[in-house]
Amino acid sequence: ELKVEQNPLFLSMQEGKNYTIYCNYSTTSDRLYWYRQDPGKSLESLFVLLSNGAVKQEGRLMASLDTKARLSTLHITAAVHDLSATYFCAAEAAGNKLTFGGGTRVLVKP
Amino acid sequence: NAGVTQTPKFQVLKTGQSMTLQCAQDMNHNSMYWYRQDPGMGLRLIYYSASEGTTDKGEVPNGYNVSRLNKREFSLRLESAAPSQTSVYFCASREEGFSYEQYFGPGTRLTVT
Repeated sequence: ELKVEQNPLFLSMQEGKNYTIYCNYSTTSDRLYWYRQDPGKSLESLFVLLSNGAVKQEGRLMASLDTKARLSTLHITAAVHDLSATYFCAAEAAGNKLTFGGGTRVLVKP
Repeated sequence: NAGVTQTPKFQVLKTGQSMTLQCAQDMNHNSMYWYRQDPGMGLRLIYYSASEGTTDKGEVPNGYNVSRLNKREFSLRLESAAPSQTSVYFCASREEGFSYEQYFGPGTRLTVT
């Protein structure tokens, strides 16, 4: 059974500084996903990582995947208030089933 | 292009009542999914459908049934609602074979009293 763990659960950030969210998964996974969720809203897709060594970047967010370590990271560069949200990773096992981590709540303070 | 739509947005049920949550997508995706999200938690897969006419259980299928009516529509039915089914329900569809990106609907907030 695929298990996905994120840490930290909560991240208080200062504007302008860099931070990393970690996503570990327990068994071989076909793909790794990152999502953003604002309070009371739906999920917004950020990245889909398809293979070992994949790196994707959008603005201040960069995601990477190490399938050998079963680890994905979401790196935030020079945090800004607009990045305050909850971030989820999800890993996909065979058969199209996605398993989500518990989420990392990010609060960026001035 | 509406993406993924869900109805209703909110619903309150009494224990034992039944209801159907509706989901439709206009992106011609083969795969569709139903998730639930409990407060402060990640999403858990209830059922999914890899293509029209097929459905399969996810992590938490007990108490639910689904119907893949056609390529566009995927409904979730609660036959006898229980307070443990109080949650936010999200439908999603996915593009296969290229980006594999999953698109989510706005959610249905269900309370069972």
